[in-house]
Amino acid sequence: GESVGLHLPTLSVQEGDNSIINCAYSNSASDYFIWYKQESGKGPQFIIDIRSNMDKRQGQRVTVLLNKTVKHLSLQIAATQPGDSAVYFCAEIFFPSGYSTLTFGKGTMLLVSP
Amino acid sequence: GAGVSQSPSNKVTEKGKDVELRCDPISGHTALYWYRQRLGQGLEFLIYFQGNSAPDKSGLPSDRFSAERTGESVSTLTIQRTQQEDSAVYLCASSLASGSNQPQHFGDGTRLSIL
Repeated sequence: GESVGLHLPTLSVQEGDNSIINCAYSNSASDYFIWYKQESGKGPQFIIDIRSNMDKRQGQRVTVLLNKTVKHLSLQIAATQPGDSAVYFCAEIFFPSGYSTLTFGKGTMLLVSP
Repeated sequence: GAGVSQSPSNKVTEKGKDVELRCDPISGHTALYWYRQRLGQGLEFLIYFQGNSAPDKSGLPSDRFSAERTGESVSTLTIQRTQQEDSAVYLCASSLASGSNQPQHFGDGTRLSIL
């Protein structure tokens, strides 16, 4: 049968540039957000998280910004490297009844050229 | 091992056959999740286990799909009478508990292809 094409938004950057990946989430009651990185043939890998009572959190070379007013999340990667090439997913967690309901966005492919 | 382990890594089978996928969570993780990821798509929640509580099966797409977990250890996802639309990567994740501040750790998935 015909293969399904990839319809992921793609961000292409040069090595050393800063990258910004954006995500719109859907549930205003979500109380926790995570960015995952998924390399080809691998499972998603945790990068950084942020709680809903924060608007910024920094890690090593990565920063996550949360704007609850417009339900927007972004991931900033400083000094992007070829090894950062992957698909990046944001995920929102809703915690209504004692366990986490994790909802993933469709992902953004980051391509880093040397 | 230190991470979530899934087997087999690849499975090719004929339409109509049953398949069983296995997940070994990280030791000590009480919460276990199964997801389906179609080509170029995000993750679709299937089922969730927390300790000995009844699982949340709300994401299972049809009654051909079922999953079991023994205590806080291995889980198996079974797909009966497979169809071509079942072709996808099936990912398993585990977390320390079901609390909102516990990130899920993923295995590398089983790539299932239905001929």
